[in-house]
Amino acid sequence: GQQLNQSPQSMFIQEGEDVSMNCTSSSIFNTWLWYKQDPGEGPVLLIALYKAGELTSNGRLTAQFGITRKDSFLNISASIPSDVGIYFCAGQLTGNQFYFGTGTSLTVIP
Amino acid sequence: GAVVSQHPSWVICKSGTSVKIECRSLDFQATTMFWYRQFPKQSLMLMATSNEGSKATYEQGVEKDKFLINHASLTLSTLTVTSAHPEDSSFYICSARETGLVWQPQHFGDGTRLSIL
Repeated sequence: GQQLNQSPQSMFIQEGEDVSMNCTSSSIFNTWLWYKQDPGEGPVLLIALYKAGELTSNGRLTAQFGITRKDSFLNISASIPSDVGIYFCAGQLTGNQFYFGTGTSLTVIP
Repeated sequence: GAVVSQHPSWVICKSGTSVKIECRSLDFQATTMFWYRQFPKQSLMLMATSNEGSKATYEQGVEKDKFLINHASLTLSTLTVTSAHPEDSSFYICSARETGLVWQPQHFGDGTRLSIL
């Protein structure tokens, strides 16, 4: 199946700093999703995006659906230690076709 | 919010054993569920799409006879790893999407860690 390119692969930041990560694809997606996964657990949905250009916030998280529909980014403002985890983007082509990004591992240093 | 329950959380068994993993949607009906496999520090790879009342759709390279999927009700899908071998050891995660809402996101279970000795 398809895989989305996510960058950076890993990040080490100081508590309080802002974080930005992005996801790109050669394919056009109809929906973009961002998930966070803690070790040994399933991914948890953070933000869902349904329209090109859409900018959506969820607390300190902001995500945008790229205008070309081939990319998306996620920003986390004022990071805190509990933001640690692996963040995955996911693109949806049709109702049953979801593809995940390669993941961004985030470490927040207190 | 939507909750997906996966059972068991962890399985350790001998090579040659068949292992069944259950995925249940607890507060919604799911015509479609999905099964993923995840190796350490890697992304989720879709194995198959489970359709209630019909055959599952498998991704290229996934052996249908090895990974049996049954979706007998609107709230339950099972994945059976038949004659498991050490190379089948992995983290298996299911997800479900609420029936009738095509563009609703998938909600994930907490995964099953399978270790074959």
